[in-house]
Amino acid sequence: AQSVTQLDSQVPVFEEAPVELRCNYSSSVSVYLFWYVQYPNQGLQLLLKYLSGSTLVKGINGFEAEFNKSQTSFHLRKPSVHISDTAEYFCAVSDISNFGNEKLTFGTGTRLTIIP
Amino acid sequence: DTEVTQTPKHLVMGMTNKKSLKCEQHMGHRAMYWYKQKAKKPPELMFVYSYEKLSINESVPSRFSPECPNSSLLNLHLHALQPEDSALYLCASSPRNKGLDTEAFFGQGTRLTVV
Repeated sequence: AQSVTQLDSQVPVFEEAPVELRCNYSSSVSVYLFWYVQYPNQGLQLLLKYLSGSTLVKGINGFEAEFNKSQTSFHLRKPSVHISDTAEYFCAVSDISNFGNEKLTFGTGTRLTIIP
Repeated sequence: DTEVTQTPKHLVMGMTNKKSLKCEQHMGHRAMYWYKQKAKKPPELMFVYSYEKLSINESVPSRFSPECPNSSLLNLHLHALQPEDSALYLCASSPRNKGLDTEAFFGQGTRLTVV
């Protein structure tokens, strides 16, 4: 079984400042890692994913994340945030042996609020 | 087309009603999912269909009945729901290709209110 911990439930950040949203996972097997964003009253949109290869992953909207196997972390970063980045961000994992994301396990989410 | 389309967007139903949620994708994906999301909580997996067969049922009550008529459609039939079943119901699909690029595409969800 896998679990995901998002340490910060809410993160307020001033516009144009950098941000890091933290994600740690626990699993006895290899996993795929994902970050999703959810805007109010919307579904989930994939920001980026780590399947294999380079541990630094770049995604949409200027976001990137780094997979750190020794620290079992997959923190999300953006060098300069915009008002439109205000949303809920979910980190998720899936068991690699299940051919990818048969079963996504989500963290509890981080509410990112951008302050003008 | 990289969309997962869910209908209706909003649904209000009584505890004695029968209703259905619908989900459609035309990306050729062979895995489809139903998730339930309560307010201010993460999505929780309910069902997984793989190649039109139910592969995972996360101990969901029988008042929720999934159906996969073909590879593009996924339904969730609702009957005798309780107010605590009010939530955002999300449909997703993924290619289900072992060893290849994979990700789940989510629909916009159906906001269900049980009265």
